[in-house]
This record gives sequence, C-alpha cells and structure tokens, in this order.
Amino acid sequence: DIVMTQSPLSLPVTPGEPASISCRSSQSLMHNGGYNCLDWYLQKPGQSPQLLIYLGSNRASGVPDRFSGSGSGTDFTLKISRVEAEDVGVYYCTQTVQIPYTFGQGTKLEIK
Amino acid sequence: QVQLVQSGAEVKEPGASVKVSCKASGFGFSDYYIHWVRQAPGYGLEWMGEINLNSGDTNYARKFHGRVTMTRDTSITTAYMELSGLRYDDTAVYYCARDSMIDPTAIFDNWGQGALVTVSS
Repeated sequence: DIVMTQSPLSLPVTPGEPASISCRSSQSLMHNGGYNCLDWYLQKPGQSPQLLIYLGSNRASGVPDRFSGSGSGTDFTLKISRVEAEDVGVYYCTQTVQIPYTFGQGTKLEIK
Repeated sequence: QVQLVQSGAEVKEPGASVKVSCKASGFGFSDYYIHWVRQAPGYGLEWMGEINLNSGDTNYARKFHGRVTMTRDTSITTAYMELSGLRYDDTAVYYCARDSMIDPTAIFDNWGQGALVTVSS
C-alpha cells in the first residue's frame, strides 16, 4: 500500500498569517495521463470531511482562493495564504492512484 | 443539491454484522460511484472500498476482503455497506462519499454525515 506522510501533525497559526502543510507519498502519484492523483480534504470539528483540492492543484467548487495546492510525483504542499478562524480542523491528503486509496495521518490546524 | 443521508448509530456485539445505508439525492444515481471511508474515534480516515452504482461492481481494500459487502438499490437510490464479523476495533464512524467522476481517478466530492458503529459486549 502507498504510505502518505504529512507534516507537521500540529499547526498553530495566527490569523492572517500563512500556513503550509507537506504531504509525501511512498510511491509516485503521477497517473499515466499526466495527472497527480493527490487530493486534500478538511475535516472541521464535528463535521464530515470536505474536498478542498483535487488532482494536486485544482480548487474544489466554493473553496476560497486563499487555498492552493502544488507538487508532483511524491511531494505535495497545501498552502493557505492568510489563515482565518474558519480554517481550523484537520487536513488530510489522500492518494487515489492505486487501490487501496490511502490517507495521511492528518494535520490539525489551530488558531493561536 | 447533492445529499447523502446515512442511517443512524448502531451498537453491535462482537461477531455480529452491521449494515449502514446511504440515501442519495440531487444527482443521477447510476452515473456515479460511492466510496466508503471509516474513522475510528480520535484517528484518521481509512478507505474501505467502492461500488459502481450502475453495474454494482465493487472494489474492496484487501484489509476488509471477506468481511465487507457493498451493494446498492437503484430503485430507492440507496447504497449499503455491510460489515460482518465485527471486532472491537471496528468501532468507528462510517462515511459514504460520492465520487465526482472527474477523470482519471477517484475524488470524494460529497460526503454523508457519518454513521457511528459501536462494537461492545
């Protein structure tokens, strides 16, 4: 199985400041069609996960443009340009290039 | 709008089976896949498998082979996940999630509210 490793696992951020989460995979997530099969989800407290970024860098519908995804192959990054209070929760990366699809351990973002 | 409404919480004894439902609305049911993802208390997300809502074809994570069965009833636009031989470590919230069908791979664009399954004697 592909192992997904996120860092940091805990991320305290001051509102208005940027934040960055790293996600590394044990195998390349590049699909033979040239896409990176890496998505980002946010699970807000007490809620179901919600899609933020798909195929490495595409924002899902309704996701603010302060969220961006980048990376290729085995190294990916989620960036928030200016953190807001509503961004608190646990962020997960996931790979869908190979079954079983696997998730990172999660990164808990909290407001300082 | 897209909605996935899951069945309620369940308490089961070890060795029993549980069947969780996921009622879909707001989209063409048979045009999509549904995935099942679980989350043990205080832990991360774990993909269990997927079902093609048109054909009924399934793919399961190796870990659950022989214990999980995913089905659907197109007449009532509902997907099901049944887990048998329950163990204490199967205690988790079970989510259904719709696949966006954006090529070339799975993207979970809408999620159910989750169903808590507690395994306890």
